[in-house]
Amino acid sequence: DQQVKQNSPSLSVQEGRISILNCDYTNSMFDYFLWYKKYPAEGPTFLISISSIKDKNEDGRFTVFLNKSAKHLSLHIVPSQPGDSAVYFCAAIGIQGAQKLVFGQGTRLTINP
Amino acid sequence: DGGITQSPKYLFRKEGQNVTLSCEQNLNHDAMYWYRQDPGQGLRLIYYSQIVNDFQKGDIAEGYSVSREKKESFPLTVTSAQKNPTAFYLCASSIRSGGAIYEQYFGPGTRLTVT
Repeated sequence: DQQVKQNSPSLSVQEGRISILNCDYTNSMFDYFLWYKKYPAEGPTFLISISSIKDKNEDGRFTVFLNKSAKHLSLHIVPSQPGDSAVYFCAAIGIQGAQKLVFGQGTRLTINP
Repeated sequence: DGGITQSPKYLFRKEGQNVTLSCEQNLNHDAMYWYRQDPGQGLRLIYYSQIVNDFQKGDIAEGYSVSREKKESFPLTVTSAQKNPTAFYLCASSIRSGGAIYEQYFGPGTRLTVT
């Protein structure tokens, strides 16, 4: 039972354009969402997060949007840079209950020069 | 420098042998986690510990064991009962999850190959 889904295994974007990574979840108890970036053979690094009381959070080139009614979140990167090429994981947690992060399968983003 | 260390980076073992992966953090975090990553899959939770001397099974705990005798350390033992032990193992820590921050900080990972 995949509670957090990233349906696009890969995405290719031209340098300077916008990258949009999508994530869907099924558990309505999730109320905090995070995005992580991962390079090969390294641990993931935290990128940006959003609480369910917000619908947008921005940090520099990165913006996360949350649509609670659709149980959907997206990460926008603009402008995309070659160093953004990595695997991006979305994750979700419910503040109540087990308080475990649940990760999606990841999307491999490739930025083309 | 504060951070999470995992050693070794690469580990090779023969089938049937137990192996222990090290994870140490000096971030003064209460909670620690072990994940496994397989190609094309997300991170799957093996075990987690929210406080010293206490830990809980994650989603795929079979064939693994852990201990949490010190706040800084959370070693993972991959036993011979684990059917598919070859994977990339990631350790993480966070401020106790009952608090306001939920970001987990990850170590560099250990790639275990069992033949």
